[in-house]
Amino acid sequence: GAVVSQHPSWVICKSGTSVKIECRSLDFQATTMFWYRQFPKQSLMLMATSNEGSKATYEQGVEKDKFLINHASLTLSTLTVTSAHPEDSSFYICSARDRITGMGTEAFFGQGTRLTVV
Amino acid sequence: GEDVEQSLFLSVREGDSSVINCTYTDSSSTYLYWYKQEPGAGLQLLTYIFSNMDMKQDQRLTVLLNKKDKHLSLRIADTQTGDSAIYFCAESRSRDDKIIFGKGTRLHILP
Repeated sequence: GAVVSQHPSWVICKSGTSVKIECRSLDFQATTMFWYRQFPKQSLMLMATSNEGSKATYEQGVEKDKFLINHASLTLSTLTVTSAHPEDSSFYICSARDRITGMGTEAFFGQGTRLTVV
Repeated sequence: GEDVEQSLFLSVREGDSSVINCTYTDSSSTYLYWYKQEPGAGLQLLTYIFSNMDMKQDQRLTVLLNKKDKHLSLRIADTQTGDSAIYFCAESRSRDDKIIFGKGTRLHILP
């Protein structure tokens, strides 16, 4: 099946620094990728929809200047957490839909990135 | 609005059937999903059902949909220890649209 690779799987950073998380679709083209955030023992909260070649669409309440999303190619989207603070510590998961081959009913998920800000 | 609700915990004895229930509010939901998440891992799609279907069966998994009541259930037959995980109910309006998740049901298997 299709694979979505997320990197890094975990990262610890100092408060005030920026962290970049990559999401790659390995064997399919993803014109749309989704970024989710998951708090402990809670659901996945959709943060934004990343569209290749255009600006991301952010969900209400998500700061677009803090969570920068870039989707420069059909296989790569990046999420940069700028000026990270301890409250940004969370599990971030990306998802991609294989729209080209018509398998849009399934969204493939990356393995997630655990961000800890100290 | 879009909202998906499900119970947070379920304990089942090994070998019994597990039934996880979910309700959703969006009448425009077209695709309804069940995902499984094991500790520290991403999400694995278990199964999905179109809104024009009432039931879908796939090996030990049976999905029932009551569109009138906006109620979705997942039945796992002969529950095994490997089924211990968090199960997320989710929905989307179209095959390309964002997926909205419930809070997840933690399935605990009793020996």
